[in-house]
Order: sequence, then structure tokens, then C-alpha cells
Amino acid sequence: DAKTTQPTSMDCAEGRAANLPCNHSTISGNEYVYWYRQIHSQGPQYIIHGLKNNETNEMASLIITEDRKSSTLILPHATLRDTAVYYCIVRDQTGANNLFFGTGTRLTVIP
Amino acid sequence: GAVVSQHPSWVICKSGTSVKIECRSLDFQATTMFWYRQFPKQSLMLMATSNEGSKATYEQGVEKDKFLINHASLTLSTLTVTSAHPEDSSFYICSARDVAGGPWDTQYFGPGTRLTVL
Repeated sequence: DAKTTQPTSMDCAEGRAANLPCNHSTISGNEYVYWYRQIHSQGPQYIIHGLKNNETNEMASLIITEDRKSSTLILPHATLRDTAVYYCIVRDQTGANNLFFGTGTRLTVIP
Repeated sequence: GAVVSQHPSWVICKSGTSVKIECRSLDFQATTMFWYRQFPKQSLMLMATSNEGSKATYEQGVEKDKFLINHASLTLSTLTVTSAHPEDSSFYICSARDVAGGPWDTQYFGPGTRLTVL
């Protein structure tokens, strides 16, 4: 399964857009990119996923580069409640369709 | 929709006792559920994949006789930590995949169960 690389931590001012990058240079053609976040002491929350086109939902936008080797999760107007660890995951294709979590990016939204 | 619950949300037990954690999909059916463990300041680690009506598949290094998994129905999976020891203290999280979805369908996570073994 493709590995992902994310910055360890990021800060963002409240009300501004938070742009969280993820590198997945070894992604294969049928693998999706998923984003989850985990607020302290809670279970992960699904945010968005995509294959090659950009995606948007009520929570965020996902921008995937044309070569699919990297992507960016965008929270358009960050709030204090968006402070969490954000995980970029490339879906495993080897059988069980489970999710392998890396270390993620700890996003801190600053008032 | 797509709510997954866990019970209990936290539990404290004595060393040597067994603890059962329930994971339920409340508004969808899940043929596959996953169990994760998370130690403080670390990421989630997959322990096992639970399939309804069949034996669970355990990840390398996870003792199947210590972490018993039962997936008796399409909405319920249980994890029993047998003869718990302090090193088993952790945050246990389950997730469920909607049976109606395809191979890439989203997994939804429960709120987690914090186990403390004294």
C-alpha cells in the first residue's frame, strides 16, 4: 500500500483557510485518497475522499494533483473546533479494504 | 446517518480480568468491522478485521487468543480483552463499513473505549 507523508504540525488563524498537504508519490492507479481527522480522545471522523478529480463537500475540499502524487485538504474557514490531527490515507488494495493510519498532521487553529 | 457506537466509553479493571467492548452500527449494516488500538500520542494501529459470520483476521503481532473478536450480526461486533494486564491499557476504536457500499466505501468510526488496567 502506498505510504503518505504529512507535516507533523501546522497552525492556522481562526477564520482563515487551512491547507493541509499530503505526499503519496507511490500511489497506484486505483487507490483512493482519504482524509480523516481525530479530535482529542475521540474516534476518527471521515472528511472526504477522491480518486483523481477535485472533490468538495460541506466540510472541506480535496485537491489532487494531476499526477496524483500529492493532494491538499482545504478547510475554507477554520474554526477552533477544527483543531485536530488530520490523517491522509491511501486505501489499501491488498484485500481487506482497511485503513492504515500514519502519524498525521496536528492542526492547531489559533484565535 | 452512518453512526457507530461503542460501549462502554471507558472502563477500569483489575489485572487478570476480562473486558468486553461492543461496537454497533446504528443505522446501517456492516459485514466488516475493524478494531484499532491507539496508545497515547501515537496513531491508530489496526488490530483485526471482523467479518460477520466468520473468524476475524488478525494483524501480525496481535494475539488472537488474548483479543477475542465476535461478529455475530450485521450490526454488532465485540472485542474481549482476556486476562488484561496494565500494558493492555489503551484507547480501543472500532470502525464499520456499510454492506451496501462497494470496495471503496467509507468506513465510519466509533467514539472509542478507553481501557485502564490497574
